[in-house]
Amino acid sequence: ETGVTQTPRHLVMGMTNKKSLKCEQHLGHNAMYWYKQSAKKPLELMFVYSLEERVENNSVPSRFSPECPNSSHLFLHLHTLQPEDSALYLCASSQDGQMNTEAFFGQGTRLTVV
Amino acid sequence: QKEVEQNSGPLSVPEGAIASLNCTYSDRGSQSFFWYRQYSGKSPELIMFIYSNGDKEDGRFTAQLNKASQYVSLLIRDSQPSDSATYLCAVPSYAGNNRKLIWGLGTSLAVNP
Repeated sequence: ETGVTQTPRHLVMGMTNKKSLKCEQHLGHNAMYWYKQSAKKPLELMFVYSLEERVENNSVPSRFSPECPNSSHLFLHLHTLQPEDSALYLCASSQDGQMNTEAFFGQGTRLTVV
Repeated sequence: QKEVEQNSGPLSVPEGAIASLNCTYSDRGSQSFFWYRQYSGKSPELIMFIYSNGDKEDGRFTAQLNKASQYVSLLIRDSQPSDSATYLCAVPSYAGNNRKLIWGLGTSLAVNP
């Protein structure tokens, strides 16, 4: 496998459910990111991990909980979400966390909260 | 609040024409600038980056940077229907102690055959 892979591609969950999004990168990068993309809004950076250490938490509600067990894997654990959390969640990786190099994106998880 | 502004469009051009996409940014300290293309239902992919004032050409794409005026533009020559997508401008900016990418809303481009 190559690039950045996200699973699942689509997810429908109730407000009381707990689910996790998974991201895996095969590029040997040291930084990984979670972004939220909603209609009519710019890409919103949620979390940044550099060398498995969280370096950015962009005021994200605690119902979103990231986990980075190693430099190739990133998870986003979801619980008690709200309908306004419905969006496309994109994982990305880059060589480092300094934002001066290209970010490679996964195909995203389309999340619908009902 | 650091910002990146783009016209949302849609920008419609005929096939073979030049498409011009503009982006302005507020952080004077920004040093590098990225253009990503996002097809409908797909994820963003990098098409150009530029660090220095002036023009940078890559095939049919030219990025133009003017740091004094705080704008960066993307020109697409000989536009093709396959260029129809949303073009996102991204600018690294310091927020607190960390650097983060600030994204524009994107400009939707439609190239008509």
